[in-house]
Amino acid sequence: DGGITQSPKYLFRKEGQNVTLSCEQNLNHDAMYWYRQDPGQGLRLIYYSQIVNDFQKGDIAEGYSVSREKKESFPLTVTSAQKNPTAFYLCASSILPQGNTEAFFGQGTRLTVV
Amino acid sequence: SQQGEEDPQALSIQEGENATMNCSYKTSINNLQWYRQNSGRGLVHLILIRSNEREKHSGRLRVTLDTSKKSSSLLITASRAADTASYFCATDGSGGSYIPTFGRGTSLIVHP
Repeated sequence: DGGITQSPKYLFRKEGQNVTLSCEQNLNHDAMYWYRQDPGQGLRLIYYSQIVNDFQKGDIAEGYSVSREKKESFPLTVTSAQKNPTAFYLCASSILPQGNTEAFFGQGTRLTVV
Repeated sequence: SQQGEEDPQALSIQEGENATMNCSYKTSINNLQWYRQNSGRGLVHLILIRSNEREKHSGRLRVTLDTSKKSSSLLITASRAADTASYFCATDGSGGSYIPTFGRGTSLIVHP
């Protein structure tokens, strides 16, 4: 089955820890995105990547880092510098940034600080 | 970055009624998309309408786009309890950004 997979589904972080959220897609999509969603809120863009080994900051990149070493993978690290990391994180991909096509989403990772 | 804003924020209707949600945006676009999100899940694409289109249908969904008013509407006809979800519009800018940018969504509850 083609799709986009996020793991883990639930993640707990202690104060001061870095944690990495996984996002893998087998859709052969060029573009990948990370969004953050807070309760009752919309999606805010954290980082995006349109090509391997290149990525750009979104609206709320502070306290986060990403890498794009492979086309299929776009992991997000939530660093200790992110002061309020508890949220629902969504990864998405699309064929080309200018493809006028839909974005496919993973099922999300819910991160909680304990 | 530009952002679509949905209205109303919440909508509660009875099964069989129609549900209408609106989206307004700020700058010119290439296309506008509507997505659905069930509680605690990822978003699912519903329909895309291009900037040169005025209306589009998909099953019980009808989307309109008015670029002069920078607004779009999503109509769900003959709603079902299974339509209960949050609905988001997403825009991508014709200025070259092409990054899907989402509003806050409309929370729809359909009572059986």
